[in-house]
Amino acid sequence: DTGVSQDPRHKITKRGQNVTFRCDPISEHNRLYWYRQTLGQGPEFLTYFQNEAQLEKSRLLSDRFSAERPKGSFSTLEIQRTEQGDSAMYLCASSPLGGSNQPQHFGDGTRLSIL
Amino acid sequence: AQRVTQPEKLLSVFKGAPVELKCNYSYSGSPELFWYVQYSRQRLQLLLRHISRESIKGFTADLNKGETSFHLKKPFAQEEDSAMYYCALRGTGNQFYFGTGTSLTVIP
Repeated sequence: DTGVSQDPRHKITKRGQNVTFRCDPISEHNRLYWYRQTLGQGPEFLTYFQNEAQLEKSRLLSDRFSAERPKGSFSTLEIQRTEQGDSAMYLCASSPLGGSNQPQHFGDGTRLSIL
Repeated sequence: AQRVTQPEKLLSVFKGAPVELKCNYSYSGSPELFWYVQYSRQRLQLLLRHISRESIKGFTADLNKGETSFHLKKPFAQEEDSAMYYCALRGTGNQFYFGTGTSLTVIP
């Protein structure tokens, strides 16, 4: 088990382009989370899946952001019409079921840079 | 509002000295709190959670509901403790709120 895997590690794109990130959680982890982290800040919650169901979504999340987890395994996060302010590290984490205090296992993140 | 505050961006202590990283939270219900750590060039990882009342790597954290705090403490800091530390709160609907983090440097 290599832990949570995220792809790509880095993404550089021009403003206005669409980008998609992928997260492969630890196998058998039912819960999957997406976070965004900017310089000098802690991870900011974006959305949460339990299996294939998207159960929570931050109210701060723009309509340009969408996430899917179609088969309850890997997940994708898409940002449409990227803006300068979208430049950040996007983190994925997974955890098993079995109580709310189960630890989240984080990936290395995808660093997005908007030109 | 659900919020975590870590008032110190940077903290430096000498090796062998006690260390305390402060965390205050805002939450109307019964809080579930965690400390995460990120060592240089490594992933963010769980250090400890209040519900387990555990000590990991010599660190402990006590939940003080009266002061709405969950400070992280270690009696004798080691060089390998140098890292970024984040306090986190599990809010309603399984949303997690992280503080802005404290960068700890242990001076040899």
